[in-house]
Amino acid sequence: DTAVSQTPKYLVTQMGNDKSIKCEQNLGHDTMYWYKQDSKKFLKIMFSYNNKELIINETVPNRFSPKSPDKAHLNLHINSLELGDSAVYFCASSQGVSDTQYFGPGTRLTVL
Amino acid sequence: AQSVTQPDIHITVSEGASLELRCNYSYGATPYLFWYVQSPGQGLQLLLKYFSGDTLVQGIKGFEAEFKRSQSSFNLRKPSVHWSDAAEYFCAVGVLYGGSQGNLIFGKGTKLSVKP
Repeated sequence: DTAVSQTPKYLVTQMGNDKSIKCEQNLGHDTMYWYKQDSKKFLKIMFSYNNKELIINETVPNRFSPKSPDKAHLNLHINSLELGDSAVYFCASSQGVSDTQYFGPGTRLTVL
Repeated sequence: AQSVTQPDIHITVSEGASLELRCNYSYGATPYLFWYVQSPGQGLQLLLKYFSGDTLVQGIKGFEAEFKRSQSSFNLRKPSVHWSDAAEYFCAVGVLYGGSQGNLIFGKGTKLSVKP
């Protein structure tokens, strides 16, 4: 069974559209994260949720809105997509802050 | 500010040769340190981690890393590289906020190529 899964794996869309990426973890973890990996492979935290509550919100445009319907899911909704949003988005989860983070396979978003 | 530096952007080694990937961190408290590997088109897989205790940690696939507090380093090593080790390697430090939450700060990665 996949520990952290993301859908879709690839997402190609036009500028201005709204899209969502879904993430699910079956590890029973309390904390989930979204990271963005840019074209130079640099990984940066976007959001962190603990027990469905937003804990960390880095300097991310408010076009990005995470939603956590329950502890096992953390979805990322993006409004009014821009060219600069093209990247690979990784979801991750951990039991606690000092525990290992387990990453999903990533979603490659391409904005045309 | 917390940061992680991986000085080598790209390293090429011959198959069977030894490997050392460098990582330096900047963090005011006791660090939690990680090495992840990313194969092309794949997600990140944990190789090893340091939380406390023995400063030499063993990981999967024959990798090890040594934490040196005096040098703020956490270098990754492997005695004999295999062609399947070609990938991108990321060092990360776990950063705490308010003692109960945190996230990872990553270095910019080192791409490893392996020559036959």
